[in-house]
Amino acid sequence: AQSVTQLDSQVPVFEEAPVELRCNYSSSVSVYLFWYVQYPNQGLQLLLKYLSGSTLVKGINGFEAEFNKSQTSFHLRKPSVHISDTAEYFCAVSGGSNYKLTFGKGTLLTVNP
Amino acid sequence: NAGVTQTPKFRVLKTGQSMTLLCAQDMNHEYMYWYRQDPGMGLRLIHYSVGEGTTAKGEVPDGYNVSRLKKQNFLLGLESAAPSQTSVYFCASKQGGNYEQYFGPGTRLTVT
Repeated sequence: AQSVTQLDSQVPVFEEAPVELRCNYSSSVSVYLFWYVQYPNQGLQLLLKYLSGSTLVKGINGFEAEFNKSQTSFHLRKPSVHISDTAEYFCAVSGGSNYKLTFGKGTLLTVNP
Repeated sequence: NAGVTQTPKFRVLKTGQSMTLLCAQDMNHEYMYWYRQDPGMGLRLIHYSVGEGTTAKGEVPDGYNVSRLKKQNFLLGLESAAPSQTSVYFCASKQGGNYEQYFGPGTRLTVT
């Protein structure tokens, strides 16, 4: 079985500030990790993914995440956020069989001017 | 290339009524999924399909049925709607051998 914990349900930040959204996972097998973004009243869009290789993964819109196996974490970071980054962010894990994703409960990022 | 589309976008039902949500994808994906999204709960898998003619239960299947008669379509049915089924429903699909799921825009369902 696998699970995902997003440690913060809401993260308010000011524009141009750095941000980190935290994600921890548990799994008994090798994992594949994902961050999805959901803008208001829209579906989910893939931000970035870790399948193998380099533990630092770069995604769209200037976001990046680092896979840390020893700490079972996959935190999402952006050095300078914009108002347009306001959205809900979901961490997800797929382990073992590749056809199911387990999602965290989401982190609402609010960027204030 | 429309990707994943969902019909309808919004629906209001009375308790006990039935309805079917339609998901269609034009990417020739083998796998299709139905999720529900509730505040503070993230996305929870209702049912999924690994190919035409196959379906399987996910995390929260009770009260829902599904069918995958054609590869491009995945239908979610509510036989007797309950207020607890008020939610936003998302469909997703993916290619076999890949991990990325592609999501539709969602259907907002209210059961009164």
